[in-house]
Amino acid sequence: AQSVSQHNHHVILSEAASLELGCNYSYGGTVNLFWYVQYPGQHLQLLLKYFSGDPLVKGIKGFEAEFIKSKFSFNLRKPSVQWSDTAEYFCAVTSTSGTYKYIFGTGTRLKVLA
Amino acid sequence: NAGVTQTPKFQVLKTGQSMTLQCAQDMNHEYMSWYRQDPGMGLRLIHYSVGAGITDQGEVPNGYNVSRSTTEDFPLRLLSAAPSQTSVYFCATSGTGREQFFGPGTRLTVL
Repeated sequence: AQSVSQHNHHVILSEAASLELGCNYSYGGTVNLFWYVQYPGQHLQLLLKYFSGDPLVKGIKGFEAEFIKSKFSFNLRKPSVQWSDTAEYFCAVTSTSGTYKYIFGTGTRLKVLA
Repeated sequence: NAGVTQTPKFQVLKTGQSMTLQCAQDMNHEYMSWYRQDPGMGLRLIHYSVGAGITDQGEVPNGYNVSRSTTEDFPLRLLSAAPSQTSVYFCATSGTGREQFFGPGTRLTVL
């Protein structure tokens, strides 16, 4: 079955701490991978995406993610978080061909303490 | 460009009532989808469409209907509302880039 697992449901960090959020997927075939962010009271917006090529992708606001094909993982990282990074983060996967059917993870709620 | 718009922003229904959530886009995207977001469950796909006249079911389609008569519009119909349908509903579109663009959401409460 197609699925996306995000291991951390709630994460609390102090400002300047490093962040790593886990994401593992189960999806047949070649995939496109995404991280979306949802700030409080807002809709989801794209942080970064992986389609092909360099497995280390950089996104907005200093975020990056690494695709490790052998581990079916796409972990999100940021070296130094800010209070404004407080949000919910969603990992998502879709196929590179055929329908655009997305599968989302359950989300990780990040709280950054000032 | 408005992007993806949804109406209404908030709605309260009584059990058994029907209603339609509207979604419109001006991005000329072929792919549109409806999700519901519930605490601890992420986003779950209700229905999606890969173009006008073509729709398909997602993970949680029961109790919902969709149609896609134009590229721009993708309404979601609740046939007979139930308290279990209390949720936040998001419409999203995607073009060839496969990135999804989300609307602002509709917060629905069913009493």
